[in-house]
Amino acid sequence: KAGVTQTPRYLIKTRGQQVTLSCSPISGHRSVSWYQQTPGQGLQFLFEYFSETQRNKGNFPGRFSGRQFSNSRSEMNVSTLELGDSALYLCASSPPGLAGLIQYFGAGTRLSVL
Amino acid sequence: SQQGEEDPQALSIQEGENATMNCSYKTSINNLQWYRQNSGRGLVHLILIRSNEREKHSGRLRVTLDTSKKSSSLLITASRAADTASYFCATDYNQGGKLIFGQGTELSVKP
Repeated sequence: KAGVTQTPRYLIKTRGQQVTLSCSPISGHRSVSWYQQTPGQGLQFLFEYFSETQRNKGNFPGRFSGRQFSNSRSEMNVSTLELGDSALYLCASSPPGLAGLIQYFGAGTRLSVL
Repeated sequence: SQQGEEDPQALSIQEGENATMNCSYKTSINNLQWYRQNSGRGLVHLILIRSNEREKHSGRLRVTLDTSKKSSSLLITASRAADTASYFCATDYNQGGKLIFGQGTELSVKP
């Protein structure tokens, strides 16, 4: 089975731009969670989607949004980028029956905001 | 913040030695997990321990959970250079899909 795939792996943007990151979960997984990792704040939960519905949301401003499609693929969008949004963005999926419990992570998208 | 504390923040040992990492959390939990991350890449799930378990083993890994002290420890026995990574504890605080991670322990195993 293929693992969690995140695209692109690297992104460079400038302040004020917007960005969309993509995540394809493991086949059969319906729960997808997103995390932001920075040296200062560590790993922080952004949001979680299950069957196209947002079930949980972290403490991030409204510039951070996401969605999930009927095939469980998910995207997250960050609008009006700020320098502090530079981070590794990780997506994770969970198998049915263990929704959200054990998470399988992608390699991440490293976003640099200049 | 709900994030737990991990200590030490960094640990450097020789191959063959044991490595112990500790994690404390803040409120009652149903389960606690440990993950490994190799140099800024994705995390890999190592082991999950439920609140009614005190100890769990997986290969060279041993995890303990003390719910009275709200703490857990991860022991890696006979460490190898390939164990060099950051190790994180995490719990969902009963909110499925939302993992709260500790700050992590950076382990360096020297050959």
